[in-house]
Amino acid sequence: SAVISQKPSRDICQRGTSLTIQCQVDSQVTMMFWYRQQPGQSLTLIATANQGSEATYESGFVIDKFPISRPNLTFSTLTVSNMSPEDSSIYLCSVGYTGSTNEKLFFGSGTQLSVL
Amino acid sequence: DQQVKQNSPSLSVQEGRISILNCDYTNSMFDYFLWYKKYPAEGPTFLISISSIKDKNEDGRFTVFLNKSAKHLSLHIVPSQPGDSAVYFCAASAGNTPLVFGKGTRLSVIA
Repeated sequence: SAVISQKPSRDICQRGTSLTIQCQVDSQVTMMFWYRQQPGQSLTLIATANQGSEATYESGFVIDKFPISRPNLTFSTLTVSNMSPEDSSIYLCSVGYTGSTNEKLFFGSGTQLSVL
Repeated sequence: DQQVKQNSPSLSVQEGRISILNCDYTNSMFDYFLWYKKYPAEGPTFLISISSIKDKNEDGRFTVFLNKSAKHLSLHIVPSQPGDSAVYFCAASAGNTPLVFGKGTRLSVIA
């Protein structure tokens, strides 16, 4: 299984600022994803981080708000831009090795974000 | 519109007894189902999965049952142990589409 390091583990931020979350995997992976879990809600996919190209965003999420980078097969960042209290959530990095159908995913420990 | 529903936010079970966690789905195209377990301050970890061509999959103390006609699956944990206390997420996918998760059920196993 993958060892996924996610930083920071938690942060408290002021409204209007931005936070960049890092995800580092101990081995090369095919797929990297970013999820959000709002309080009391399910895990919702924000986007698929594509190596060397723009991320693929799910409905309701846009690049200006959640810019994503993936410079190589082991690292990705998610930035939460111009934050508001509604962005207070747990943000999770997730990886898959093969990109095939029905592949189980591995998750990082998450970033607990609170926006004041 | 939630495609994967876990209608019980919490469940309490005595140690040694059976824990049954339920999950309903609405999308008939879902063909792969997974259960994840999440401890506080940790990411979800994969527990067990089942393909739509099966109706049961067993792994040690954990068994997942799938009832396609009812669009319902359940996770059975026997016997339940205090270390099983966690939040359990049901997830589903259709072909190459992203996983869709339920809201989770918090299981408390009481010694």
